[in-house]
Amino acid sequence: GQSLEQPSEVTAVEGAIVQINCTYQTSGFYGLSWYQQHDGGAPTFLSYNALDGLEETGRFSSFLSRSDSYGYLLLQELQMKDSASYFCAVRGDPASGGSYIPTFGRGTSLIVHP
Amino acid sequence: DAGVTQSPTHLIKTRGQQVTLRCSPKSGHDTVSWYQQALGQGPQFIFQYYEEEERQRGNFPDRFSGHQFPNYSSELNVNALLLGDSALYLCASSSGQGTSYEQYFGPGTRLTVT
Repeated sequence: GQSLEQPSEVTAVEGAIVQINCTYQTSGFYGLSWYQQHDGGAPTFLSYNALDGLEETGRFSSFLSRSDSYGYLLLQELQMKDSASYFCAVRGDPASGGSYIPTFGRGTSLIVHP
Repeated sequence: DAGVTQSPTHLIKTRGQQVTLRCSPKSGHDTVSWYQQALGQGPQFIFQYYEEEERQRGNFPDRFSGHQFPNYSSELNVNALLLGDSALYLCASSSGQGTSYEQYFGPGTRLTVT
């Protein structure tokens, strides 16, 4: 099966940089995604990593190390509106016994203080 | 361009009853996946529909069933409701039988079973 671990809560102040870590287990890795979800809202796609390295999209960046089964989401210049839950989701490789259906972590609640 | 829409927004049912939730995918998408999200948890995959057939199924009992229509919209049916079925039910659409890594989520249906 596929499983993920991420911290339950992270706090930071406006303007700071925060990193949300995610470790995963899967049968054959296909990709790691990140989603943001505000209270009462729908998860929205942030980024996707299939290869090792850093992907940058504006204030958000996502990193992947396949050898370590590890990734992180980096949020820079934090704003109050970034307070939300952040989920990592892993897709396995069906050719290796995994599933391309994304398995989500339990989510990290990011609280941004003024 | 309309995103993913779901109806109803909220629903209250009694144990033992049956419920039907509806989803219209984003324009151009042909694949619909359903997720259950309990409070404080990540979305859990229920099943995926493509070409009007259930293609993948998560670890949910047969009380959970679905349907996809020729216009790609979908329904989720849950029979013999249990208190534990209370959750946010999310619909996500994508293209190419879900091989695309980016999923678009609807706002969800909040189901409360009393």
